[in-house]
Amino acid sequence: SQQGEEDPQALSIQEGENATMNCSYKTSINNLQWYRQNSGRGLVHLILIRSNEREKHSGRLRVTLDTSKKSSSLLITASRAADTASYFCATRRGGGADGLTFGKGTHLIIQP
Amino acid sequence: EAQVTQNPRYLITVTGKKLTVTCSQNMNHEYMSWYRQDPGLGLRQIYYSMNVEVTDKGDVPEGYKVSRKEKRNFPLILESPSPNQTSLYFCASSLKPAGQTYEQYFGPGTRLTVT
Repeated sequence: SQQGEEDPQALSIQEGENATMNCSYKTSINNLQWYRQNSGRGLVHLILIRSNEREKHSGRLRVTLDTSKKSSSLLITASRAADTASYFCATRRGGGADGLTFGKGTHLIIQP
Repeated sequence: EAQVTQNPRYLITVTGKKLTVTCSQNMNHEYMSWYRQDPGLGLRQIYYSMNVEVTDKGDVPEGYKVSRKEKRNFPLILESPSPNQTSLYFCASSLKPAGQTYEQYFGPGTRLTVT
């Protein structure tokens, strides 16, 4: 079953603009991860934020976490054409099983 | 170079013909996992392995088998493939189980078509 759900499903912006995508999840978490997937390729880990953190930065990426609302956001500043990809949030699967559960992703298109 | 490799990358096969997709990692990771990715459904976990000889079912294990005889390898076996197993498959590994704060490293994917 899916834990995280990203919003919007698709986003198209001009190069240089900022892109924001959101993730909502259902159960309590220890941490939340964001991954990027270029078309048809494997996912690449971007950033992990722990449940006791509210904000984290990595280069042009900024992730926030609001555990009271069970939501996270990923902000990409000064977007580039190379940022065109799908972005997924992931949390730990529940029910005693291990592994990550992913949302369906936000497809980001950066227009040159 | 640290990586997860999968073979084959592309496979077209017929219903019922047994196949194996191999997965290997060179990072001495304990945890390995298989996912399938389908349009509109996102990634779903098939099986995972916490360590050698330790495997468990994910969300969609039906029709698949796995084994973990060596730490570096985690093959995915389809004993009798069916068209509904047409999908993009990813192998992933992490240093420790994914429930802990460890990122997962993904292979490049295997695109399987079953006719």
